[in-house]
Amino acid sequence: DVKVTQSSRYLVKRTGEKVFLECVQDMDHENMFWYRQDPGLGLRLIYFSYDVKMKEKGDIPEGYSVSREKKERFSLILESASTNQTSMYLCASSISGTGAEQYFGPGTRLTVT
Amino acid sequence: AQKITQTQPGMFVQEKEAVTLDCTYDTSDQSYGLFWYKQPSSGEMIFLIYQGSYDEQNATEGRYSLNFQKARKSANLVISASQLGDSAMYFCAMRESNTGGFKTIFGAGTRLFVKA
Repeated sequence: DVKVTQSSRYLVKRTGEKVFLECVQDMDHENMFWYRQDPGLGLRLIYFSYDVKMKEKGDIPEGYSVSREKKERFSLILESASTNQTSMYLCASSISGTGAEQYFGPGTRLTVT
Repeated sequence: AQKITQTQPGMFVQEKEAVTLDCTYDTSDQSYGLFWYKQPSSGEMIFLIYQGSYDEQNATEGRYSLNFQKARKSANLVISASQLGDSAMYFCAMRESNTGGFKTIFGAGTRLFVKA
């Protein structure tokens, strides 16, 4: 059974804290993605990675960074959390190609106070 | 401009009836893929169905079918014989080949409520 796991389901952090969200997949997928999901806006791509140590900005990269040191692990970093980063964060992975569906993790609901 | 438009924020359907969820898309690419995902209240996104831009036949997966009208740039999801467990958010998504096959754009979603 394919699996994408995320380190936390719920997280509460204070403004200004550095926050790490971890994602691990066991399917040997080349591509990994971080999205945030907000009501009425759907999923918006923050960053994606198509190989180890490779990363590309998505549509809303400001305030975020990522790290991919190993193929199975993709981390999202909020350098200095702000209240407008309160959201649901979803990690996904896929093989390459236009027809490849994404496999999603369960999501992390982050609240920044 | 919106690349993926889902105009129905919420919909109701009676159990055992069919329902169509609308999706229109915007692309100048000739090669692209269209996806539908389901997100139950548990939060996990579940892949439902895929349609390639060059596929001549509409995709089907069990009770799900994708009504693909390329000239109109629409990719509506049809769920036949709705079940209570179909109550969820549904997202339409597109992946264009000119992004190297990596980037997927999602619509805002449609929340479906199935009534008993």
